This record gives sequence, structure tokens and C-alpha cells, in this order.
Amino acid sequence: DTEVTQTPKHLVMGMTNKKSLKCEQHMGHRAMYWYKQKAKKPPELMFVYSYEKLSINESVPSRFSPECPNSSLLNLHLHALQPEDSALYLCASSQGRGAHRETQYFGPGTRLLVL
Amino acid sequence: QQQVKQSPQSLIVQKGGIPIINCAYENTAFDYFPWYQQFPGKGPALLIAIRPDVSEKKEGRFTISFNKSAKQFSLHIMDSQPGDSATYFCAATRGSTLGRLYFGRGTQLTVWP
Repeated sequence: DTEVTQTPKHLVMGMTNKKSLKCEQHMGHRAMYWYKQKAKKPPELMFVYSYEKLSINESVPSRFSPECPNSSLLNLHLHALQPEDSALYLCASSQGRGAHRETQYFGPGTRLLVL
Repeated sequence: QQQVKQSPQSLIVQKGGIPIINCAYENTAFDYFPWYQQFPGKGPALLIAIRPDVSEKKEGRFTISFNKSAKQFSLHIMDSQPGDSATYFCAATRGSTLGRLYFGRGTQLTVWP
């Protein structure tokens, strides 16, 4: 089973709201990723967690705050977002053993609209 | 600077045709080249992947051709079907970058019935 699940599927929030995106995988993967994807563009890497530790932060604004409570879960906390943050937010996971030649499996994404 | 260049940006073929999507890279440290297929409103799904020690890999109707000396690789879709209409992304990665994927810009494929 190569399934990564994400909730919610859709989210509309105001610029003063606080919300969270959730991602879960049960493949025993130890690396998890957050990506942002704008329409007709490739996914852009935001964060990478390896063995539940933040390994990569691609200079993402602090209004995005990732959290990895355990090896199966990944959250993205959102606060004071801007309309330009509206996008499809994708979670992915991979085996995490040295990250060499690893396949990343993506979830279906959360479609976020910031008003 | 874009690490992986992909062309064409869009492609229209008739059912049964063989669309070809091309990608090129500069960084010879890349050692794994996956292709992802993405339908509207969905996440990318791994389609097929290749390593540089192999010149061709086939899975069903999808074939990757790899030219290491030219630093190019391409996706061929045999007997294309309307259900293949999607956006295709090539990507590259190298072992030292914790699975960081460098994506091409994507090709929007439309297969007419």
C-alpha cells in the first residue's frame, strides 16, 4: 500500500485565522515532505522531516509552521496567511534510508484558499 | 536556475499516437530520474523511474529512454488513450540531497479520442 492521506481536502480561511493541515502515512517511511504547488507549476519543496527531525526548511515564511508528532504524522500549521499563499499543499513520504534514489509518494493534497 | 528542463510545455495527440516528452539536466551528480503523472486536483503519482546505468525502461505503455552522455531522458507513451490526458513532470535527484526532487516545469498532455 503506497497511500499518503491528507486532510482536509479543501480549506478556506481568512488572513487572521489559524488552521492546520494534516498528513498521514502507514508505509513505515521515515522521511516526510511538504510541498506547495501553484496552478500549472511543479511542486515546490517547503520542508523535509527525516526521522521526525526537521532537515530542510526552504526559507519558508514563519506563518507556515511544520510539526512531526511521530513517524506517521506530519502537520502544517497556518497562521496569518496571505492571499498569495492560496495553492495546493502536498504531503509526500519516502523510505528515508539515506535518501539515495528514493521514491517519493504524494498525497492528494489540500486545496487552500486564503481570502 | 532550473536544474531540469522539460519540453514541450503542452502536447496534443490523437488516440493511439505516441507522445514524447523530453527532459535535460546539467548536474551529473543526479542518479535517479522519476516521472510523475498528475491529474487535475490530485497529487502527483509516480509513473516510472530510471537510473543512469540503464538506457531504457518500459512499464506497460510507458517507456523512458535515457542518454547519459547527452544528459537527456524522455518519456514515450505508446498507444495513448484519452485517460492519459494529464500533466507529466520529469524530475531528478541525487543521493546527497535527502530526496530533494528537482522537477521540470511540466507538460500538459491532451489525448483526443
